[in-house]
Amino acid sequence: GDSVTQMEGPVTLSEEACLTINCTYTATGYPSLFWYVQYPGEGLQLLLKATKADDKGSNKGFEATYRKETTSFHLEKGSVQVSDSAVYFCALSDRGGADGLTFGKGTHLIIQP
Amino acid sequence: DSGVTQTPKHLITATGQRVTLRCSPRSGDLSVYWYQQSLDQGLQFLIQYYNGEERAKGNILERFSAQQFPDLHSELNLSSLELGDSALYFCASSVVASNNEQFFGPGTRLTVL
Repeated sequence: GDSVTQMEGPVTLSEEACLTINCTYTATGYPSLFWYVQYPGEGLQLLLKATKADDKGSNKGFEATYRKETTSFHLEKGSVQVSDSAVYFCALSDRGGADGLTFGKGTHLIIQP
Repeated sequence: DSGVTQTPKHLITATGQRVTLRCSPRSGDLSVYWYQQSLDQGLQFLIQYYNGEERAKGNILERFSAQQFPDLHSELNLSSLELGDSALYFCASSVVASNNEQFFGPGTRLTVL
């Protein structure tokens, strides 16, 4: 079945550092890929998405590129802020959303001032 | 605010009991998804409804059931509760079943004592 593997944290960085959170996937079809963010005590918010190979999703300074050849969707940001501290989930949707999302285990990101 | 509402926010109950969680999707969204988030299993898709009909099933236990009503709100029923059912339960909604973008509610935290 489908699966998502992402680096588990916590990942601790200083403010203004570069961020990469790795995500790789296994899917039978041609999935859409997502990054969701969960702030403490809140639900998940969609951060960005990509629906086909070589697409780049971007939002709030975060970027991720759908790499079919390496089955990856790594999340990157050039300069992180304290407010980026949260848990980040990589997810995929196979069968055009006809099933629910398959999530990775989440990466807890801590940004120190 | 995603526009998806869930009640109650917190629920504490005893083993063997039955509870009902409620979700109202965003205005105009026809599809509702239920997810369970626990420390050991992570985020798991339980079930999806589209316009009142069950559309897809994930890792939902037989003790759990759901329905979507004509006004599109949904309820997740959990019965014969066990300690291991303690988790955050999220509802998400999307415009149509094939739309990949899901909007999550704030969740219901269930504690089984």
